Amino acid sequence: QSALTQPASVSGSPGQSITISCTGSSSDVGSSDSLSWYQQHPGKAPKLVIYDVTKRPSGVSDRFSGSKSANAASLTISGLQAEDEANYYCSSYTETIVVFGGGTKLTVL
Amino acid sequence: QVQLVESGGGVVQPGRSLRLSCAASGFTFSNYGIQWVRQAPGKGLEWVAHIWYDGWNKYYADSVKGRFTISRDNSRNTVYLQIYSLRVEDTAMYYCARVGPTVTTVGYWGQGTLVTVSS
Repeated sequence: QSALTQPASVSGSPGQSITISCTGSSSDVGSSDSLSWYQQHPGKAPKLVIYDVTKRPSGVSDRFSGSKSANAASLTISGLQAEDEANYYCSSYTETIVVFGGGTKLTVL
Repeated sequence: QVQLVESGGGVVQPGRSLRLSCAASGFTFSNYGIQWVRQAPGKGLEWVAHIWYDGWNKYYADSVKGRFTISRDNSRNTVYLQIYSLRVEDTAMYYCARVGPTVTTVGYWGQGTLVTVSS
């Protein structure tokens, strides 16, 4: 049950696009399309922004998109806005367990 | 709408036990699996346990296996997390979450209950 690997931090200016990577192995990310991304603002509960690699829950902006290739997944946020500043976590649901990434702090400059 | 409300947290001495509760509303509780996820202060998310909709199947993270027990009472729309032999490193915000919109997505989260283990 090793954590997935994410960069500790990324940053971008308003209006720009950023991508957050999430790297796992052939036993988690590589073997499952049950890959999700969560946004968490300080002091708040996580919020689902992407599930099943590319799908957006109702109400989530289409500025959020996801992809996956082999053992790595990515979250792209386009048209950065100040409210996107938060921590982002990827997770892989593999058989009976859930594995999270270590989290990435997104700073909007 | 889906609502999950955790309770039972507090300040506890090392070695003691604690039971957390997660009260659900806004959906047919007996149809859904429930997870517990924790987050130590300033740290990332850590999956803790999962119980299936009917309570028969339960799964635990290696880090808590043997000390944590997850259970549910479908007549009370409530899931429990019993924690034994509390350690300082169990200090965290504990969230309960419901699966959805797919059975392999943890889509709905409560606001959490804080457990602080300190002498």
